[in-house]
Amino acid sequence: GAVVSQHPSRVICKSGTSVKIECRSLDFQATTMFWYRQFPKQSLMLMATSNEGSKATYEQGVEKDKFLINHASLTLSTLTVTSAHPEDSSFYICSASKDSQETQYFGPGTRLLVL
Amino acid sequence: DAKTTQPTSMDCAEGRAANLPCNHSTISGNEYVYWYRQIHSQGPQYIIHGLKNNETNEMASLIITEDRKSSTLILPHATLRDTAVYYCIALYNFNKFYFGSGTKLNVKP
Repeated sequence: GAVVSQHPSRVICKSGTSVKIECRSLDFQATTMFWYRQFPKQSLMLMATSNEGSKATYEQGVEKDKFLINHASLTLSTLTVTSAHPEDSSFYICSASKDSQETQYFGPGTRLLVL
Repeated sequence: DAKTTQPTSMDCAEGRAANLPCNHSTISGNEYVYWYRQIHSQGPQYIIHGLKNNETNEMASLIITEDRKSSTLILPHATLRDTAVYYCIALYNFNKFYFGSGTKLNVKP
């Protein structure tokens, strides 16, 4: 199957700082990438959909100015959590698909802890 | 997208088949049924998907009822490493996944 990586795997930051998470498709070109958030003992929540070269589409209730998404190439999407606060601490997971009709492949996730 | 309902948890003896049910009674004709699993603290892993016909791959089999209102994921010989949360998702176009709470499968020795 297709391989998706994320970096970093875990990050600890101070409240008020910004954190960037990278999502890469290693062996295929991903026209569409997705970002999810998962709190402890809960299911995954879709945050946004990003298409290469265009603006991301955010789900209702997700602040686009707080969670900046850039999909600059067919193999890389980044999520920046701006002015992070403790309530942003969560497990962030990306997925990628070759196009909108294809299966999504998920990255291993990034655990963010904001102190 | 069609909503799916799954049992909260299931137990299975190691070496036996694990049959995980999913109800998707409001599914439309164009919606695929996808199965993923998530092992603790990892990203979801793709297992299998189908539209109408039963499907089989090296990991599992997917049985979809004729009316498509429910499906069953079958792991033919469960191992301890199959302990995970299994998600059933009904998907129409544009690939937006909305995850339910899934089924926690406990494989016991």
